[in-house]
Amino acid sequence: EAGVAQSPRYKIIEKRQSVAFWCNPISGHATLYWYQQILGQGPKLLIQFQNNGVVDDSQLPKDRFSAERLKGVDSTLKIQPAKLEDSAVYLCASILNPGQGNYEQYFGPGTRLTVT
Amino acid sequence: AQSVTQPDIHITVSEGASLELRCNYSYGATPYLFWYVQSPGQGLQLLLKYFSGDTLVQGIKGFEAEFKRSQSSFNLRKPSVHWSDAAEYFCAVAPFSGGYNKLIFGAGTRLAVHP
Repeated sequence: EAGVAQSPRYKIIEKRQSVAFWCNPISGHATLYWYQQILGQGPKLLIQFQNNGVVDDSQLPKDRFSAERLKGVDSTLKIQPAKLEDSAVYLCASILNPGQGNYEQYFGPGTRLTVT
Repeated sequence: AQSVTQPDIHITVSEGASLELRCNYSYGATPYLFWYVQSPGQGLQLLLKYFSGDTLVQGIKGFEAEFKRSQSSFNLRKPSVHWSDAAEYFCAVAPFSGGYNKLIFGAGTRLAVHP
């Protein structure tokens, strides 16, 4: 079974530029999460999708961050414009169907973003 | 608000020594509890999880964790550490919320292993 795929693995941009990250969850996984992991901290949830609907985006800085999961499969996370404090690893995770007692999230390798 | 505390930022042990990583959580009820490991440049890998039942849970790579409700703790243990265990370890809770379980992570404990 293929794992969660993310691209790119690394990205360096200047502040005020835009950037997009892509995530392809494990096949059949209905729920998809984007986490932000700043150096020295644990991951923090940015947004959670159930199929193509948003379940929780309470911690997403909506003035600059956006995310979509149009067909309920892969997802993109965009930052526009980027700030220095956005430097972090962006992790994507998926889960089969939490409503059926399956609560293990599977994580991708992450995208390391450096904003200069 | 729910939170997770990992009191030890950095721990160094000798290879073959025992290990205990501490985790305390704040939540009104019993949450779902997890330990993940993250090696450099890698994503998070689940070591073990606790949902209910036996409070001592076994995981992969020889790890175990014990849930103590009275102490709101879920400490991770390993009887004999291997050099390959050097990594960062994260404790996480998933407060049950209508089936949509986001994870709340602690800040992590970085483990170094001396030969």
